Amino acid sequence: ETGVTQTPRHLVMGMTNKKSLKCEQHLGHNAMYWYKQSAKKPLELMFVYSLEERVENNSVPSRFSPECPNSSHLFLHLHTLQPEDSALYLCASSQDLRGGPGTGELFFGEGSRLTVL
Amino acid sequence: GQNIDQPTEMTATEGAIVQINCTYQTSGFNGLFWYQQHAGEAPTFLSYNVLDGLEEKGRFSSFLSRSKGYSYLLLKELQMKDSASYLCAVDRTNAGKSTFGDGTTLTVKP
Repeated sequence: ETGVTQTPRHLVMGMTNKKSLKCEQHLGHNAMYWYKQSAKKPLELMFVYSLEERVENNSVPSRFSPECPNSSHLFLHLHTLQPEDSALYLCASSQDLRGGPGTGELFFGEGSRLTVL
Repeated sequence: GQNIDQPTEMTATEGAIVQINCTYQTSGFNGLFWYQQHAGEAPTFLSYNVLDGLEEKGRFSSFLSRSKGYSYLLLKELQMKDSASYLCAVDRTNAGKSTFGDGTTLTVKP
């Protein structure tokens, strides 16, 4: 079993659909994150949760809505998306928000490839 | 905000040494990470520097100069499997988590 698992791996949706991405970490970490990775652009930090509390929202449009019901699970709820939202959405976790090896480095899931038609 | 600059692409020969540079401008610097990402896969952690100097881990080493806002990742004895994207990421004390550079795509040729 991998440390961070994401489902679904691939998702195609229309602009009027509502869908959710799910992330689960089996590492006992305290912090979880959503990143967006688009072609030819750097990884963009979207949301940060520490001990189930949202500590950062990087000016992400409200059509993306995160949810962290417990320290092991993170969701990204999607509604009325635009074609430019098509990207790879990566979930990550770390032991804590700060620090070096053993605490601060990110463990990524395989990502959910989203296509918005 | 912050700027993180890396070369877009690099090519090297199997068995050679390659240095991938990363420069950054940031406030509240709290550490610099390097990650490796193979095509179609998730990024994986390679190294971390928070103090000036060189950190060595097998064939990979990472260097940091905080006064110059500069880091490099050094890969020795290159192997074909080292062909990947290398991501420089900076942590700040006043931000949630790492901000990433665009990444450097390294191609290792026989």
